[in-house]
Amino acid sequence: ETGVTQTPRHLVMGMTNKKSLKCEQHLGHNAMYWYKQSAKKPLELMFVYNFKEQTENNSVPSRFSPECPNSSHLFLHLHTLQPEDSALYLCASSQDRAGPVDTQYFGPGTRLTVL
Amino acid sequence: DAKTTQPTSMDCAEGRAANLPCNHSTISGNEYVYWYRQIHSQGPQYIIHGLKNNETNEMASLIITEDRKSSTLILPHATLRDTAVYYCIVRVDRGGNTDKLIFGTGTRLQVFP
Repeated sequence: ETGVTQTPRHLVMGMTNKKSLKCEQHLGHNAMYWYKQSAKKPLELMFVYNFKEQTENNSVPSRFSPECPNSSHLFLHLHTLQPEDSALYLCASSQDRAGPVDTQYFGPGTRLTVL
Repeated sequence: DAKTTQPTSMDCAEGRAANLPCNHSTISGNEYVYWYRQIHSQGPQYIIHGLKNNETNEMASLIITEDRKSSTLILPHATLRDTAVYYCIVRVDRGGNTDKLIFGTGTRLQVFP
């Protein structure tokens, strides 16, 4: 399998549930990202990891908890979400954020619906 | 951070060239112009990027004006599968952990038969 994969592709959860989104990249990249795309809104950067270390948290509520156990895997743990958190959650990876040219490659996304 | 301005939507006939404009009048000398596209309900797809010179790859061509205040993405022979939202992004390059892609609302390109 190549590129950036995300599972599950669709997820429906209640506000009291705990679930996790998984992202895996097969590109040998060192940086990974979580984005949120709500209906009819631009993509919003949520978190950035570089060499497994979190380098950016874009004021994301604590009900979203990222985890990056290694450079190939990224998780987004969800708990006590709100209906307004329903969105497309996208994962991306890039070679190395320290470089001047850093192309990001995106996964297909997880469509999350919070009831 | 440099901001981009794109038309909200455009139409293009299949087989014709699609020319998507982008204004980035406040771009700095070390900022790159990136283009991505997003087909409905999929993740964004990288298309091309450039700094000063025109660029071409298997997907598209990027024409950057000499003053770098605007650019045009050209899809030479648009197909129905090119229908998507196209994002022009100026990459804020601070050479460290604070650089990032900032997506705007993009141009919705509709290719019709």
